[in-house]
Amino acid sequence: EPEVTQTPSHQVTQMGQEVILRCVPISNHLYFYWYRQILGQKVEFLVSFYNNEISEKSEIFDDQFSVERPDGSNFTLKIRSTKLEDSAMYFCASSPGQSGVKPQHFGDGTRLSIL
Amino acid sequence: AQSVAQPEDQVNVAEGNPLTVKCTYSVSGNPYLFWYVQYPNRGLQFLLKYITGDNLVKGSYGFEAEFNKSQTSFHLKKPSALVSDSALYFCAVRDKAEYGNKLVFGAGTILRVKS
Repeated sequence: EPEVTQTPSHQVTQMGQEVILRCVPISNHLYFYWYRQILGQKVEFLVSFYNNEISEKSEIFDDQFSVERPDGSNFTLKIRSTKLEDSAMYFCASSPGQSGVKPQHFGDGTRLSIL
Repeated sequence: AQSVAQPEDQVNVAEGNPLTVKCTYSVSGNPYLFWYVQYPNRGLQFLLKYITGDNLVKGSYGFEAEFNKSQTSFHLKKPSALVSDSALYFCAVRDKAEYGNKLVFGAGTILRVKS
């Protein structure tokens, strides 16, 4: 069964540095998402992306965050200047259509540790 | 705004016994409802969804869930628990009345099945 893949599985970065988290969604999917899960807390929506543009973003997704689909397969999340509070598990997801009908499929996540 | 409540942090059940993991939701319109399971160091794995139609929906691994509109609940059930069902379970909702595809998750419930 096709899977969403994320790299790296664990990223350690100094505070203030830029970090890029990478995802390869399922190939025929059209909608892409990033969520994060701070240790011990809920999974929180960050952003959704469709047709090469952001379709929705949460309050968490401020100017320090950006997403890009640089080619036909990758979907990236960039944090420009990381803060300690950005430490979390970041999940990429994709769906063939709107998630109301087709479920979102999640990757195994990237654990981001900010020092 | 949409929200999900999972009132139990942890549910303990003996192998072979029926299990229930509770979920209630709040939306302004009609809901799309989902259950996901998370095993250690893995992403969220889709179990089942309610879109419309029959209130009892069946999903993967013998799980089912019952949609109750009057009680705004979507409890996850399984007739006979397995030790391998032990994991973290998340209920999620999307409000049909709201623009966008984001899922709003509950805090999660740890299911422990003992042999």
